[in-house]
Amino acid sequence: QVQLQQWGPRLLKPSETLSLNCAVYGGSFSGFHWSWIRQSPGKGLDWIGEINHSGGTNYNSSLKSRVTISVDTSKNQLSLKVTSVTAADTAIYYCARDAGSGSNHGYFDLWGRGTLVTVSS
Amino acid sequence: DIVMTQSPDSLAVSLGETATINCKSSQSVLYRSNNKNYLAWYQQKPGQPPKLLTYWASTRESGVPDRFSGSGSGTDFTLTISGLQAEDVAVYYCQQYYSSPRTFGQGTRVEIK
Repeated sequence: QVQLQQWGPRLLKPSETLSLNCAVYGGSFSGFHWSWIRQSPGKGLDWIGEINHSGGTNYNSSLKSRVTISVDTSKNQLSLKVTSVTAADTAIYYCARDAGSGSNHGYFDLWGRGTLVTVSS
Repeated sequence: DIVMTQSPDSLAVSLGETATINCKSSQSVLYRSNNKNYLAWYQQKPGQPPKLLTYWASTRESGVPDRFSGSGSGTDFTLTISGLQAEDVAVYYCQQYYSSPRTFGQGTRVEIK
């Protein structure tokens, strides 16, 4: 059974860098796109960006200048960095597997449990 | 960006009755070349990540009960829960993957009347 395990610091101060990791256990990493999605407390879902197993990325332009998604295929892991965080970046951050393939991708069939990251001085 | 708007924001339905959730996209998510609607539905229960219910507007994910059905095309879509059960209490989201960035509706909360 494929599982996504997330970890990273949960409390940050304004201007710091958010850094999260997500490891894929029990299944293939290659051949899929992987995304990060966040959910502000009590709010809806925002797609941050995606990466494929080759390292090709696609970011939401709303965060693009501050976001980096990377992959380490040797460890079946993907990572998220968001620089210069503010209180507005307080959210539950999810990693998710894209169920589609080729050009027909963009929906998510497997999600991590989520990491609540709080930005506060 | 494609804006996804769901209605209603919340609804209360009696056990065994039908819940209907609507989702409208600001532009068509139907790809004419393959006649596919790039639209998915998710269910999210408190403290849990979203769970994929349907994709391609109407294809049910493996393991999802057949009381959940998706329909619609172009810009107007519907998620129908037939014979609502207590475990269906959740927030439901639609999401388009026709273009980047992927965008979600604001969510519809389903409760028991």
